Amino acid sequence: DVKVTQSSRYLVKRTGEKVFLECVQDMDHENMFWYRQDPGLGLRLIYFSYDVKMKEKGDIPEGYSVSREKKERFSLILESASTNQTSMYLCASSLRTGTGSDYGYTFGSGTRLTVV
Amino acid sequence: SQQGEEDPQALSIQEGENATMNCSYKTSINNLQWYRQNSGRGLVHLILIRSNEREKHSGRLRVTLDTSKKSSSLLITASRAADTASYFCATAPHVAAGNKLTFGGGTRVLVKP
Repeated sequence: DVKVTQSSRYLVKRTGEKVFLECVQDMDHENMFWYRQDPGLGLRLIYFSYDVKMKEKGDIPEGYSVSREKKERFSLILESASTNQTSMYLCASSLRTGTGSDYGYTFGSGTRLTVV
Repeated sequence: SQQGEEDPQALSIQEGENATMNCSYKTSINNLQWYRQNSGRGLVHLILIRSNEREKHSGRLRVTLDTSKKSSSLLITASRAADTASYFCATAPHVAAGNKLTFGGGTRVLVKP
């Protein structure tokens, strides 16, 4: 069964800590994504990557960075965690097409991060 | 920014009834997708409809797309308690590097036994 695996289901961190959220997929997908989900705001795209070592900013990249050293792994980094980064973080992956996009996403189970 | 807006925001029905939810979007699209999210979990891809398609079926799911009105609907027939979840539409623009989707705010569906 193909999978996107997020390293933690629940995480509690202190303000100012550097936080790493890991995501691994086993489907040989080119594209990987990080979203955060907040009540009333839906899913918002933080960063995405369409190839190894490539990254693109999404709608809300401030306070975050990403790393994609290998095709299967896409890490989200909170440089200095703040309470307003308390959220559900969702990683996803998909195949890439030449133009447009014809493939659905496969999501991980999510990481619920609380920053205290 | 949210491209899709779902309507209604919440829906409560009895088991066996049909559930219909709608999605409106603003810009032209390559395709539109629907996802389900069970409480506190990741999203699961349900169905994709391309901009040149008007209707698509998958099991108890029926999706329609009206590009002239920039809207789509998802119908779940003969609902079951297990269909209780949030449902999201997501749009893919015509030209996008990396298959970037924009999600709507979701419809919460409660199916009562």
